[in-house]
Amino acid sequence: GNSVTQMEGPVTLSEEAFLTINCTYTATGYPSLFWYVQYPGEGLQLLLKATKADDKGSNKGFEATYRKETTSFHLEKGSVQVSDSAVYFCALRPAGVLGRLYFGRGTQLTVWP
Amino acid sequence: GAVVSQHPSRVICKSGTSVKIECRSLDFQATTMFWYRQFPKQSLMLMATSNEGSKATYEQGVEKDKFLINHASLTLSTLTVTSAHPEDSSFYICSAREGLRQGTDTQYFGPGTRLTVL
Repeated sequence: GNSVTQMEGPVTLSEEAFLTINCTYTATGYPSLFWYVQYPGEGLQLLLKATKADDKGSNKGFEATYRKETTSFHLEKGSVQVSDSAVYFCALRPAGVLGRLYFGRGTQLTVWP
Repeated sequence: GAVVSQHPSRVICKSGTSVKIECRSLDFQATTMFWYRQFPKQSLMLMATSNEGSKATYEQGVEKDKFLINHASLTLSTLTVTSAHPEDSSFYICSAREGLRQGTDTQYFGPGTRLTVL
């Protein structure tokens, strides 16, 4: 079946630290992979995505590379800011299935000044 | 970007009553809306998919008579939790898909509704 496993949080970092949030998935075929971010009091927002193996999604300094061989889509940022504090969700959409998303549990990130 | 609203943001009700949650796409037409449920420290679990003007498709294990979904217009979907019980207490999130314009398949999420059943 389809599932997403995401590292448990919370993650607490100092400003300008390096961030990695691990995400691995199980799926048949070639799913599309996503990272969503949820700021306090707001809905989930698409942060970045990748639709095929070796694609790198990037946005706002965040990056994630679709690794088929390790079934992973780890989120990274070289230098986090206080404003990056939020909950991050990894998700997949099965190949050929419009709209249907499977989410990880979410990782709370808190960045201290 | 596109905005999806939910109302109410929080609701507390007595056991046995019904609660309606609204999900609106404010600046686009949503041909498809999704309803998710999230327990503390758990992932979002898809409950059902609703297409405007047709019956919702429920995920396995979700009681369709308990969670009534209506998608009567391209900008509004409602989820009614009927005869709510404490175990229905959860965070309910909707999302709306803008459609297949130019091959996109982008979902926009509402901020969620916290339901507490006493």
